[in-house]
Amino acid sequence: EIVLTQSPGTLSLSPGERVTLSCRASQSVSSNNLAWYQQKPGQAPRLLIYGASNRATGIPDRFSGNGSGTDFTLTISRLEPEDFAVYHCQQYGSSPSTFGQGTKVEIK
Amino acid sequence: QVQLQESGPGLVKPSQTLSLTCTVSGGSISSGDYYWSWIRQPPGKGLEWIGHIHRSGATYYVPPQSRITISSDTSKNQFSLKLSSVTAADTAVYYCARATLEQQLGQWGQGTLVTVSS
Repeated sequence: EIVLTQSPGTLSLSPGERVTLSCRASQSVSSNNLAWYQQKPGQAPRLLIYGASNRATGIPDRFSGNGSGTDFTLTISRLEPEDFAVYHCQQYGSSPSTFGQGTKVEIK
Repeated sequence: QVQLQESGPGLVKPSQTLSLTCTVSGGSISSGDYYWSWIRQPPGKGLEWIGHIHRSGATYYVPPQSRITISSDTSKNQFSLKLSSVTAADTAVYYCARATLEQQLGQWGQGTLVTVSS
């Protein structure tokens, strides 16, 4: 199965800053079938990005996804207070679908 | 807007069977092309896909498969998870979710914590 490694584990940032999160796959993700999810404490994950770069319905344009093959990124152009959360990547190009271990974005 | 809600015991003894049900409202599990899925998140760890069922009845289980059974009851608009011979390693928050055929998880239940302990 494809192993996804997210880095860094935790980021401490201030509102208004720009942040880029990394998700690296152990093998190439076919057809860029990679998604990003946001998860807040006590809540279920929410789909942000699919197909590596497509925003899900209702997701603000400050969120953008990029990458191909084995290297993918999620960028938040300007952190809002509600963006402090854990972010997960998921590949669904190969079975079984697998997730990274998550990156926590916390308030500095 | 489709909503999902997990239900079931929060505490299961080792070697017993974990049983959870997901009740879907705002849409039918018999319509559309979706995978009705189970995902779990062990404490402090990442998400894990357990398996899913399609309205056709076709199922997929992440290997090793022998302990997992996913079924559906269209009359109640529910689908269920059974995980046999549980150990402490099966302690997790269990989510039910609706996935596209590409396995993007667009709608999730709120999750339910299941602890395996004697």
